[in-house]
Order: sequence, then structure tokens, then C-alpha cells
Amino acid sequence: GDSVTQMEGPVTLSEEAFLTINCTYTATGYPSLFWYVQYPGEGLQLLLKATKADDKGSNKGFEATYRKETTSFHLEKGSVQVSDSAVYFCALTLYNFNKFYFGSGTKLNVKP
Amino acid sequence: GAVVSQHPSRVICKSGTSVKIECRSLDFQATTMFWYRQFPKQSLMLMATSNEGSKATYEQGVEKDKFLINHASLTLSTLTVTSAHPEDSSFYICSARRSGDNEQFFGPGTRLTVL
Repeated sequence: GDSVTQMEGPVTLSEEAFLTINCTYTATGYPSLFWYVQYPGEGLQLLLKATKADDKGSNKGFEATYRKETTSFHLEKGSVQVSDSAVYFCALTLYNFNKFYFGSGTKLNVKP
Repeated sequence: GAVVSQHPSRVICKSGTSVKIECRSLDFQATTMFWYRQFPKQSLMLMATSNEGSKATYEQGVEKDKFLINHASLTLSTLTVTSAHPEDSSFYICSARRSGDNEQFFGPGTRLTVL
């Protein structure tokens, strides 16, 4: 079936460190891939997305590349800030952005 | 723009009572809304898809008589947990799919605790 697997957290980094959060997927068709971020007490916010293989999504210094050959969509940021502390969810959807499949979420803690 | 609200944000109730959770798209129309349930340290799991003016479609394993969904307008969907039990305690999140571009926007979630 369709599913998303992402690395367990929490991930704790110092400010300005490099971030990678791994995400791999299994899909029966050709999914669109997403990263959502959830700040404490708030809803999920779309961080970036990619709709086809080799596309790179980017936003606020975060990047992720849709790798069909490795079925991956790893999230990266070159220099994290304290304000990036949140829970990050990898997700996929098939066919007209209907049903979403989410990873379990990775909590990021950035220390000053 | 594209804000989705949920009410209440947190609710505590006694076992056997019913609880209603509202999901509203504040500045756009949503013919389709979705209800998810999030267990601690686990994924969001889709419970049901709610279409305005028609019956909701439930995912396998979700009891439709226990989780009543009503999508009365293009901006409001409600989830009623009937005869709640402690195992229904969870974080419930809705999303609304914007008519036109199909992008989904998520609400802040409702924490339900059943004593």
C-alpha cells in the first residue's frame, strides 16, 4: 500500500547547523510529495512540495528533491535557526490531491 | 489567507457523552473537507472525507455511527464523537480542500480527552 516513512526524532541541533530529515515513500502510482510543519499549538502549514520526479521544492531555506530512483524526499536546510523548532511531517498524495498519507513526524529542537 | 479554524481547541468530557468539533474555512470555499486523527508519536490517519451536501465517505475501520460527520455548507464541517469512551481520546485535525486549485489547508487540531 501507499505509505510514508520518516526518521524518528527528536532531532536536536545547535543554531546554524545543517539539517537533514529523511523521508522515503511507497506508492502505487505517481505521487505528489510534501513537507508540512507544525509549530506548537498551531495547525499544519505547507512548507514545500514537489509534484514530479526530479522536482525540487524550496521555501524559507528548506529544500527537498523528489527522487524517484530512491523513492525519497529528504528535507534539508543549510543553517537552522531557533525559530525552526517544530514538528515536520512528510506526506504524499495521489490523484487530484485527495487522500494524504503522512509520516509519523519528526520533532526538531534547535538550541541557541 | 486560506485559514482553517477548529472549535474547540481542547475538550474534556465524561465517558458516554457526545462531543461536537467544528471545522471552518474562514476565507475560502471548500467543497471537500477531511478529518484526521493523530495518535501520540504517530501519523495523522484519515478518518473520513466530507463533501458538502452529501454523505461522508469513511475509511476502512472507522465507525460511521460513532463518528458522525456533517458538511452543511461550503465553509463548515462538523465531527461528532458519539458516546465517547477513553479510547476515543486523541488529537483530531481537519483539513479543507480549496475549490479551484485543490490545495489542502489544515486546522490547528482539537485535543479530546475522555475521562
